[in-house]
Amino acid sequence: QSVLTQPPSVSGAPGQRVTISCTGSYSNIGAGYDVHWYQHLPGTAPKLLIYGNINRPSGVPDRFSGSKSGTSASLAITGLQTEDEADYYCQSYDSSLSGSVFGGGTKLTVL
Amino acid sequence: QVQLVESGGGLVKPGGSLRLSCAASGFTFSDYYMDWIRQAPGKGLEWVSYISSTGTTIRSADSVKGRFTISRDNAKNSLYLQMNSLRADDTAVYYCARRKVGSSSCDYWGQGTLVTVSS
Repeated sequence: QSVLTQPPSVSGAPGQRVTISCTGSYSNIGAGYDVHWYQHLPGTAPKLLIYGNINRPSGVPDRFSGSKSGTSASLAITGLQTEDEADYYCQSYDSSLSGSVFGGGTKLTVL
Repeated sequence: QVQLVESGGGLVKPGGSLRLSCAASGFTFSDYYMDWIRQAPGKGLEWVSYISSTGTTIRSADSVKGRFTISRDNAKNSLYLQMNSLRADDTAVYYCARRKVGSSSCDYWGQGTLVTVSS
């Protein structure tokens, strides 16, 4: 069981908007630690999508956006494309564990 | 361009040892914190360990404390993970990753190396 909770799966049609939630606690997200998001296609290296809650690395389309409030964070993807079909993970730091923690991952299916 | 290439994975018996390496290129290795992160078959990502740029600060997940040791050789642009007392639940693809400066996020990852612990 992961310290950060994500829905196992979400889906949407091409062009639609989907959000993926990441729920933590007062020892991680709620303590003010940053949340980061990754996209992972099986057999490839994970890709950083969002860092520091809301920031996009260069090259990441602005269709991807992050937000954070209280003990939760969200990743929003607008204008869904078939190539967005992948696993998505949130990450933060947990003070009680003194280390990084990941969510369990969310599989995005583009219908 | 930034490249991280892991090596050293393979099949090992329970209780055995393995040393993973990660060769870095395309950036000033000694300026960056580095992480090891793993993914067991059919499971999500799990953070394993990180090491500061000079090697003076190390943190590891409780699941590997006392068994795995992260280290680095800045002269060789290399990151290592010494894995002892391996168990079946250590079976995973192991990724090395570079930490973004000023952040706990990882901005570049290697392709991973598979470690299988089985008798």
